[in-house]
Amino acid sequence: DAGVIQSPRHEVTEMGQEVTLRCKPISGHNSLFWYRQTMMRGLELLIYFNNNVPIDDSGMPEDRFSAKMPNASFSTLKIQPSEPRDSAVYFCASGRYEQYFGPGTRLTVT
Amino acid sequence: AQTVTQSQPEMSVQEAETVTLSCTYDTSENNYYLFWYKQPPSRQMILVIRQEAYKQQNATENRFSVNFQKAAKSFSLKISDSQLGDTAMYFCALLSNFGNEKLTFGTGTRLTIIP
Repeated sequence: DAGVIQSPRHEVTEMGQEVTLRCKPISGHNSLFWYRQTMMRGLELLIYFNNNVPIDDSGMPEDRFSAKMPNASFSTLKIQPSEPRDSAVYFCASGRYEQYFGPGTRLTVT
Repeated sequence: AQTVTQSQPEMSVQEAETVTLSCTYDTSENNYYLFWYKQPPSRQMILVIRQEAYKQQNATENRFSVNFQKAAKSFSLKISDSQLGDTAMYFCALLSNFGNEKLTFGTGTRLTIIP
């Protein structure tokens, strides 16, 4: 099994630009989670899906953030427009009672 | 609401020694899962070990074992024969609401293995 796949691994963009992060969960996992990790706030759950349906998006910081899961094998997290305070490592995880994390995307917004 | 507390921000130990990382938690649920995750400098979050609350036997995975004290709401991780590759941040996590699969994480313990 390839594990959870995330792309890109690194993203550097300018303030105001749109950023799209991508995730492919482990095959057969029905739940998918998006997290953000910063030094100041630690690990935060942004949103999670079950069977492609968003279940809890209470962690999404504001309307600039949106997430979709069009099918069981793909999800995106979009930030539009991006701001410097969005700089963080973004993780995708899949599983249910055990969550398996992808390698993360390090986002830098200048 | 559930909480997870890791009271040791940093620890260090000599290679080959044994180290124990502490974690306490709070939940009103009777059935729940507890986890330890490892995050090395590569930043990958790696699941180390899982404990189901209904199981009295402590979970073990090779050199990693837990001491699960349900009444005390304590869940410590013991690493035996520590190796340089064990240097990482370690996060304790709780899943206590099976209708909402959100993990509650502690703030982490930074463990350094000294050669």
